[in-house]
Amino acid sequence: EIVLTQSPGTLSLSPGERATLSCRASQSVGSSYLAWYQQKPGQAPRLLIYGASSRATGIPDRFSGSGSGTDFTLTITRLEPEDFAVYFCQQYFNFGVTFGPGTKVDIK
Amino acid sequence: QVQLQESGPGLVKPSQTLSLTCTVSGGSINSADYYWSWMRQPPGKGLEWIGYIYYSGSTYYNTSLKSRLTISVDTSKNQFSLKLSSVTAADTAVYFCARRTELLRRAFDIWGQGTMVTVSS
Repeated sequence: EIVLTQSPGTLSLSPGERATLSCRASQSVGSSYLAWYQQKPGQAPRLLIYGASSRATGIPDRFSGSGSGTDFTLTITRLEPEDFAVYFCQQYFNFGVTFGPGTKVDIK
Repeated sequence: QVQLQESGPGLVKPSQTLSLTCTVSGGSINSADYYWSWMRQPPGKGLEWIGYIYYSGSTYYNTSLKSRLTISVDTSKNQFSLKLSSVTAADTAVYFCARRTELLRRAFDIWGQGTMVTVSS
């Protein structure tokens, strides 16, 4: 099973600032099958990024993803009030799926 | 647009079987582009993939749950279901159904709102 580690656990920032979230895999997942989700309290996760760097439908361009192999990054260029949430990375490999533990982005 | 809705008991006794159904509306479950999935999230914790099923009935399960798990599909009702046997308090979680799409590099693009299941006597 591929284990995903996310850092930092919590990121305290102000609106307008840049957020950089990291996701590291215990073995290579390639770039095709890494996704990022946003989750707000009491809600289901929402797909932001798929294939490591492609934005899902309706996702603002302030969200971007990059990386390959074992190291991936989600960047939010200018935090809006609605962006304060928990972010999970997720990988697919050989029919199995795992999620990272999440990074909470909260208001400083 | 496609929507998913979970349904089932919110309270299950220890050692019994947890049963949930996900109803797909606004689209057909009979599609080669999608796998129909279950995930869960214990209170205050992260997400765990449970398993998924293809419209043909092929299933793929999380190995840690495989011995207790059955996922099935009813294409005539546009539904798929989860059965988890011999539950304990550790199975208490919000259970989500979701659609995995081959069109988006196997990401989960549509999710149900989730349903809380508590295991307690």
